Amino acid sequence: QQQVKQSPQSLIVQKGGISIINCAYENTAFDYFPWYQQFPGKGPALLIAIRPDVSEKKEGRFTISFNKSAKQFSLHIMDSQPGDSATYFCAANSGGGADGLTFGKGTHLIIQP
Amino acid sequence: GAVVSQHPSWVICKSGTSVKIECRSLDFQATTMFWYRQFPKQSLMLMATSNEGSKATYEQGVEKDKFLINHASLTLSTLTVTSAHPEDSSFYICSARENTGVYSNQPQHFGDGTRLSIL
Repeated sequence: QQQVKQSPQSLIVQKGGISIINCAYENTAFDYFPWYQQFPGKGPALLIAIRPDVSEKKEGRFTISFNKSAKQFSLHIMDSQPGDSATYFCAANSGGGADGLTFGKGTHLIIQP
Repeated sequence: GAVVSQHPSWVICKSGTSVKIECRSLDFQATTMFWYRQFPKQSLMLMATSNEGSKATYEQGVEKDKFLINHASLTLSTLTVTSAHPEDSSFYICSARENTGVYSNQPQHFGDGTRLSIL
């Protein structure tokens, strides 16, 4: 049973455009929702995270939108750059972030110059 | 800050041997560390939660006698793949969370992984 569904599987965006990746979760016990960026051969690096008591969080070019009633959250990358080309994973866990993470299947993002 | 170091980064060994992977939090203490497994072009799957000074908690379907976890200190957890076989070949990644208690908004920080290839 996949508890976090991520889409799209792959995404191509022109430089300067907005990249949007969506995730949906099933487990209502989840209370912490991070996004990670992973380059080939490396571990995931935390980009931004949100808790369900807020609907949006912005850090630089990265924004998380969160819809608790729909059990959905999304990552927006503004002014996308070629250096943003990577695989992005949404994740979720409970215990206020203390438990192991359940990851989405990942989105392979390519930013075309 | 919040650096997690994993060693070795790549190991190739013969079938039947045991392999130990180390995960260290370099600049913070971690009561809890996590071990994940990632197959090529796939997502990360949680294998086990490693607790300092106590037994690890394994996810359903993960053989605890196959994947031995030891969390000897607040900065070190080890994963030993015993009697490794080709199907154990994968990318193993650890993460650590700073020891500031639950509901403290502390994220998990990941190491760069260990690529294990069993011949």
